[in-house]
Amino acid sequence: QSALTQPASVSGSPGQSITISCTGTSSDVGTYDYVSWYQQHPGKAPKLMIYAVTNRPSGISSRFSGSKSDNTASLTISGLQAEDEADYYCSSYTTSSSFPYVFGTGTKVTVL
Amino acid sequence: QITLKESGPTLVKPTETLTLTCAFSGFSLTTFGVGVGWIRQPPGMALELLALIYWDDDKRYSPSLKTRLTITKDTSNNQVVLTLTNVDPVDTATYYCAQLLGRPRSSFDHWGQGTLVTVSS
Repeated sequence: QSALTQPASVSGSPGQSITISCTGTSSDVGTYDYVSWYQQHPGKAPKLMIYAVTNRPSGISSRFSGSKSDNTASLTISGLQAEDEADYYCSSYTTSSSFPYVFGTGTKVTVL
Repeated sequence: QITLKESGPTLVKPTETLTLTCAFSGFSLTTFGVGVGWIRQPPGMALELLALIYWDDDKRYSPSLKTRLTITKDTSNNQVVLTLTNVDPVDTATYYCAQLLGRPRSSFDHWGQGTLVTVSS
């Protein structure tokens, strides 16, 4: 069961928008709308930012949005702020094996 | 308020068995669609899902670690226990437990703070 593919790093200036991609296969991202995104600051536990491709949990800023096209899901952060600098991981439901979820490789977001 | 907290040894010797406990509150592991997962993260590396246990006692394991992992639940005491046998230095990681809400949400909504486990002689 292979991890979902994310770019190692993405950067942007304050106020800009950035997009993080998460590429899977037809066994996961391409077929199921069960993609979630997690933010992790150094030394902290991951935090759910997006679930079911486009949905924000209560308390998550509207600057964070999710989308999906074919086998690739995306997380967009608009109006980038210094506090957004963190690692981001995607996850998807998968039927590639009996183990139903897989995480992405992770993306380091740097605010310039 | 939902909370989860991991506990267990901070140092384990190679070949020994690691036992970790996740104590949770604010939800029940008897509720339809709810599960608890164990996820680990070696220093500087990505998250790796290890095992899941669902409300109906369905258990799922990472294919690469299946022979070494066991996950159980104690619904009376709101705990989930993970055992990893025959540990190796590569098992050094921060281990997290997280609440899983099944489809249609399919997300790890709440996480514990994590516990760092070092495997060394």
